[in-house]
Amino acid sequence: DSGVTQTPKHLITATGQRVTLRCSPRSGDLSVYWYQQSLDQGLQFLIQYYNGEERAKGNILERFSAQQFPDLHSELNLSSLELGDSALYFCASSDGAGEVNEQFFGPGTRLTVL
Amino acid sequence: GQNIDQPTEMTATEGAIVQINCTYQTSGFNGLFWYQQHAGEAPTFLSYNVLDGLEEKGRFSSFLSRSKGYSYLLLKELQMKDSASYLCAVIDSNYQLIWGAGTKLIIKP
Repeated sequence: DSGVTQTPKHLITATGQRVTLRCSPRSGDLSVYWYQQSLDQGLQFLIQYYNGEERAKGNILERFSAQQFPDLHSELNLSSLELGDSALYFCASSDGAGEVNEQFFGPGTRLTVL
Repeated sequence: GQNIDQPTEMTATEGAIVQINCTYQTSGFNGLFWYQQHAGEAPTFLSYNVLDGLEEKGRFSSFLSRSKGYSYLLLKELQMKDSASYLCAVIDSNYQLIWGAGTKLIIKP
C-alpha cells in the first residue's frame, strides 16, 4: 500500500459525459501527478500540482482539467468524454516539487467510456 | 525532442538472468528511475541512479552510464512473479520525469 488513495476504483460512463476522479496523496506529500495509461500503453503524464499550484503540464487535453485543494487532495475532471478516453488514470504523489523524488502511485481509476 | 527507448517485450526462463536496456536522449539529466508494473496495477519503485555505475538491491541491480545515455535493469534468479512491465524514467533538466513505454517481461517455467 503506497498510501495514495484514488476514488472511484472503476467508472463506467457514456460519451459526452463528464466525470471527476479524486486523489489523496500520502501524508506529507505536497506534489500530485496525474497519468493516463491506455490498454497496453505506457504512462502518459498529464499534469502536476505542487502545494496547490500547477507545476508542470504534459499531454493533457483541453477537455481535461485538474486542481489541488488546500488539504492537498486533487481532482481530475474529464469532460465531453470520447471512447478513446477509456484508460487507467493514475495519481502519484511525492514529497517535493519534482526534484529527485520517488513518486508513489495510487491504485488507479479504470474509466470505461461506452 | 526527448526520447526514451526500451524493448517492447522480452521473454526469459524461471531461474535465469535477464537484462532490460534503456537508452535516453533528454534535455539534461538529473537521475533515472526504474519502476515495476504488474498488469492492471500501479507502478512501484525499484531503483534510482544518478551516478555512473551499478546499484545492487537483492535480486535486482541497475546500471547507469551517463556518457552513453544508457541504463539497464538486471534481474537475477527470475521468479514467475517477476512477470511484469518494467518502466524506465529520466529526470530532465527541468526536473520533469520523462517515461519510457515500458518493457513487458514474460517469464516461462
